[in-house]
Amino acid sequence: KAGVTQTPRYLIKTRGQQVTLSCSPISGHRSVSWYQQTPGQGLQFLFEYFSETQRNKGNFPGRFSGRQFSNSRSEMNVSTLELGDSALYLCASSFPGTRREQYFGPGTRLTVT
Amino acid sequence: AQSVTQLDSQVPVFEEAPVELRCNYSSSVSVYLFWYVQYPNQGLQLLLKYLSGSTLVKGINGFEAEFNKSQTSFHLRKPSVHISDTAEYFCAVARDDKIIFGKGTRLHILP
Repeated sequence: KAGVTQTPRYLIKTRGQQVTLSCSPISGHRSVSWYQQTPGQGLQFLFEYFSETQRNKGNFPGRFSGRQFSNSRSEMNVSTLELGDSALYLCASSFPGTRREQYFGPGTRLTVT
Repeated sequence: AQSVTQLDSQVPVFEEAPVELRCNYSSSVSVYLFWYVQYPNQGLQLLLKYLSGSTLVKGINGFEAEFNKSQTSFHLRKPSVHISDTAEYFCAVARDDKIIFGKGTRLHILP
């Protein structure tokens, strides 16, 4: 089975712009979670989607949003980028009933200048 | 509410020496426990998991962890580390529909 894929792998954006990141989960996985990883804050949970519905949400401003499509692929969007949004954005998928065992993609490295 | 504490942010250890990375959690109910490893410029990879049963869990790359319910701990151990074990290690606690990650422990292997 192919693993979790994320595109693009690297991205450079300017303050004020918006960005969309994509995640394709492992085939059969219906849950997709997004995390932001920075050296200072560590791994922080953004949100989780299951069957196209947002099931959980972390403590991030409304500039961060996401969605999930019927094929379980997910996108996250960050509007009005700030310098502090520079981070590694990780996507993880899981299969129902596996007690939250998650499979991570390689991440998208976003740099905001 | 659940929480996870990884007591050491960095652990230096000589090559071929044993290592223990500590993880404590707080929860009033039964939880599932995981250790993940993140190599440089990569995502997280599952090392091992405790769901139920034997409290000693063996994972990949020679790692093992012991679930201690009375001490609410799930420490990760390896009897002899290799330079390739240089990475960041994350402990995670899950219950129902939520999973919480610790802040990570960076393992430095000294030659």
